[in-house]
Amino acid sequence: GESVGLHLPTLSVQEGDNSIINCAYSNSASDYFIWYKQESGKGPQFIIDIRSNMDKRQGQRVTVLLNKTVKHLSLQIAATQPGDSAVYFCAENMDTGRRALTFGSGTRLQVQP
Amino acid sequence: DGGITQSPKYLFRKEGQNVTLSCEQNLNHDAMYWYRQDPGQGLRLIYYSQIVNDFQKGDIAEGYSVSREKKESFPLTVTSAQKNPTAFYLCASSTKIPIWDFIYEQYFGPGTRLTVT
Repeated sequence: GESVGLHLPTLSVQEGDNSIINCAYSNSASDYFIWYKQESGKGPQFIIDIRSNMDKRQGQRVTVLLNKTVKHLSLQIAATQPGDSAVYFCAENMDTGRRALTFGSGTRLQVQP
Repeated sequence: DGGITQSPKYLFRKEGQNVTLSCEQNLNHDAMYWYRQDPGQGLRLIYYSQIVNDFQKGDIAEGYSVSREKKESFPLTVTSAQKNPTAFYLCASSTKIPIWDFIYEQYFGPGTRLTVT
């Protein structure tokens, strides 16, 4: 399959543990954030999003936390499963009028059985 | 079955040749995007289009061209002027999220891996 992130930071966790993936975003004016999951050789898939007027949003097994003070975004995955192994990207909408997302460089999550 | 299709999945070209990558969506989305992805890097925006017959350059538009003659289609041409065209190319589309009006969740196609030798 494709290798989309040969030199990405890697987080290795045991199956069943919780995972926390972090992202530092660049623009304090950004108003919308998304986490994407990308498996090898495939396009990114939407996981969860959050708007800047929120601090926390929960989905199924996933939680996104937003700290605007330090421009930090995190994705928490509960009870991590082997199928969660992928590269995870955060993306921000910088509200520059361009209306296109800006992506971070990604983190590889490896789930050990 | 709604979604975004990109073809082909793998594409090989000789240096100096132009090549066009296909992107089609049947989601009735207004906006479409092209990104390039290299190993160890995130997605970088090449071109985007908010509406038919209109498109804007992204961060790395040099050596690329696009057209948006139909809502469903946003082909990308990688020209011989692109110095390092070998990469994974991703197409995306989006529509307005009703509550927020100006914020767009993007849906991605499966990608095309272009290799130029």
